[in-house]
Amino acid sequence: KNQVEQSPQSLIILEGKNCTLQCNYTVSPFSNLRWYKQDTGRGPVSLTIMTFSENTKSNGRYTATLDADTKQSSLHITASQLSDSASYICVVSANSGGGADGLTFGKGTHLIIQP
Amino acid sequence: NAGVMQNPRHLVRRRGQEARLRCSPMKGHSHVYWYRQLPEEGLKFMVYLQKENIIDESGMPKERFSAEFPKEGPSILRIQQVVRGDSAAYFCASSPQPTGTYEQYFGPGTRLTVT
Repeated sequence: KNQVEQSPQSLIILEGKNCTLQCNYTVSPFSNLRWYKQDTGRGPVSLTIMTFSENTKSNGRYTATLDADTKQSSLHITASQLSDSASYICVVSANSGGGADGLTFGKGTHLIIQP
Repeated sequence: NAGVMQNPRHLVRRRGQEARLRCSPMKGHSHVYWYRQLPEEGLKFMVYLQKENIIDESGMPKERFSAEFPKEGPSILRIQQVVRGDSAAYFCASSPQPTGTYEQYFGPGTRLTVT
């Protein structure tokens, strides 16, 4: 069964600090991995998409890494800002072609940035 | 180019009533996906539609739920005879091609409350 597990479930850090969120998956065959940011009461917004051949991708202060061998990904946030408070969702796409092209969603990490 | 539009943003229905949720995809996008998000849970795929066709409805409950994406107008998710367990946030996403490595763009969601 395809699964995406995220950790930690929630995280509180001080403004200006860095943090790293983790994503482990058991999706096969693998197509790509996405990180989304979801503000409270809003729809998810894409941060990065990585394919099998990519092991790092940055979007401003967000840097995602992918280790396809260990089936792990991380999202690193540098110099956190209050606006980074949100849920961060890891989504893995399979090549199966079923279920909306085989997207499996993690439950997300709820990040709170404190001033 | 407006993003994905959903309306209403908030909907309150009594048990037994019908709920109609609307989604207008981004201009030029012919692929629409509906997801449900329960409190503290991840997004769950419901149905994938292309203009006038249901491509994958493997995530839709077998009864009371239906979806359409007519040639003209928005996509509609219809829930008949709502029950309290239907209370959730319903998100719509659109893409220009089947997801694969293409981005999905999410709407702001409709929050359904069943009283």
